[in-house]
Amino acid sequence: EPEVTQTPSHQVTQMGQEVILRCVPISNHLYFYWYRQILGQKVEFLVSFYNNEISEKSEIFDDQFSVERPDGSNFTLKIRSTKLEDSAMYFCASVTGYNNEQFFGPGTRLTVL
Amino acid sequence: AQSVTQLDSQVPVFEEAPVELRCNYSSSVSVYLFWYVQYPNQGLQLLLKYLSGSTLVKGINGFEAEFNKSQTSFHLRKPSVHISDTAEYFCAVAISGGYNKLIFGAGTRLAVHP
Repeated sequence: EPEVTQTPSHQVTQMGQEVILRCVPISNHLYFYWYRQILGQKVEFLVSFYNNEISEKSEIFDDQFSVERPDGSNFTLKIRSTKLEDSAMYFCASVTGYNNEQFFGPGTRLTVL
Repeated sequence: AQSVTQLDSQVPVFEEAPVELRCNYSSSVSVYLFWYVQYPNQGLQLLLKYLSGSTLVKGINGFEAEFNKSQTSFHLRKPSVHISDTAEYFCAVAISGGYNKLIFGAGTRLAVHP
């Protein structure tokens, strides 16, 4: 069964460093999303992406964040200068154009020291 | 704006007992409704969804949920739980008619005891 994959599973970085979180959505999916879950809190929407541009972004998704689909398979989330409060689990999700079921990846745990 | 309230942060239950996890939502427009499960150290897996039609929705692993528009609820039920159902359960909504973001509740930790 096709699945969304994410790398790395765990990323440790120093405050102020840039990180890139990678996702490979399911191949025939058209809509892509990033969510995050701070430990012990609810899952929060960050950004949605369709047709090579951002469809919607949340207040969390400030100028420090960017997304890109550099080729036909990868979907990346970049944080330019990480802060302590960026420590969270980051989930990628994708949706086919036929229904509204978002398929989630296993997540990347980002730890900012 | 939409919001989701999961009324119980933790639900302990004995194996083979029935369980109900409660979810209420708030929205001024039509929404789709979802339940996701998260096992330890894993991603989110869709249990079931309501888009339209029959208000009783059956999902995977024997779970079902009923959409109640007048009470703005979408409670999740299972008649007999197993140890393996121990996980975090999230209710979510999305504005209907497109491929909109999911708005999640805070989650309910279901702990099934032998």
